[in-house]
Amino acid sequence: QQQVKQSPQSLIVQKGGISIINCAYENTAFDYFPWYQQFPGKGPALLIAIRPDVSEKKEGRFTISFNKSAKQFSLHIMDSQPGDSATYFCAASPAGGSYIPTFGRGTSLIVHP
Amino acid sequence: NAGVTQTPKFRILKIGQSMTLQCTQDMNHNYMYWYRQDPGMGLKLIYYSVGAGITDKGEVPNGYNVSRSTTEDFPLRLELAAPSQTSVYFCASIDRIQGMNTEAFFGQGTRLTVV
Repeated sequence: QQQVKQSPQSLIVQKGGISIINCAYENTAFDYFPWYQQFPGKGPALLIAIRPDVSEKKEGRFTISFNKSAKQFSLHIMDSQPGDSATYFCAASPAGGSYIPTFGRGTSLIVHP
Repeated sequence: NAGVTQTPKFRILKIGQSMTLQCTQDMNHNYMYWYRQDPGMGLKLIYYSVGAGITDKGEVPNGYNVSRSTTEDFPLRLELAAPSQTSVYFCASIDRIQGMNTEAFFGQGTRLTVV
């Protein structure tokens, strides 16, 4: 049972373009929605995160859009750069219990120069 | 701060052998997790711990075991290694600030091959 569905699985974008990755969740108890960036041979690292009390959060070229009623959130990378080429994971954590983060399957982003 | 440290980085095991993947964090986080990462499958939870002396199974616990004797250490034990356990393993820890979830800190991973 996949609680967080992520798409697309892979994405190729030209330098300067916009990269968009989407996630949908099922559990309404989730209250923290981070995006992680992973480079080859490294562990995932937090890129940006949002809580459900806001609909958008922007940090530099990275923006999360959050739609609570649709149970969807997305990552937008503006002016994509070759250095953004990595695997991106969305995740969601519940407000209670053991606070276990559930991850999407990941999106492999390639930004061509 | 070193963050989350995993050892070893790489290991090749023969079928039936055992090994322990080490994980240490110096951030005094109570919540720790072991995930395995397989291509196209994301991160699957193996075991987790909410504090010293408390562990519980995740989504894919078969063939693994854990212990949590201290806040800092959360080793993952593989008994009787099988080819299906070939994967990249990540340890992570999380802090909760004022009752709210925050980011997960990951180790560098252990790439395990069972032959």
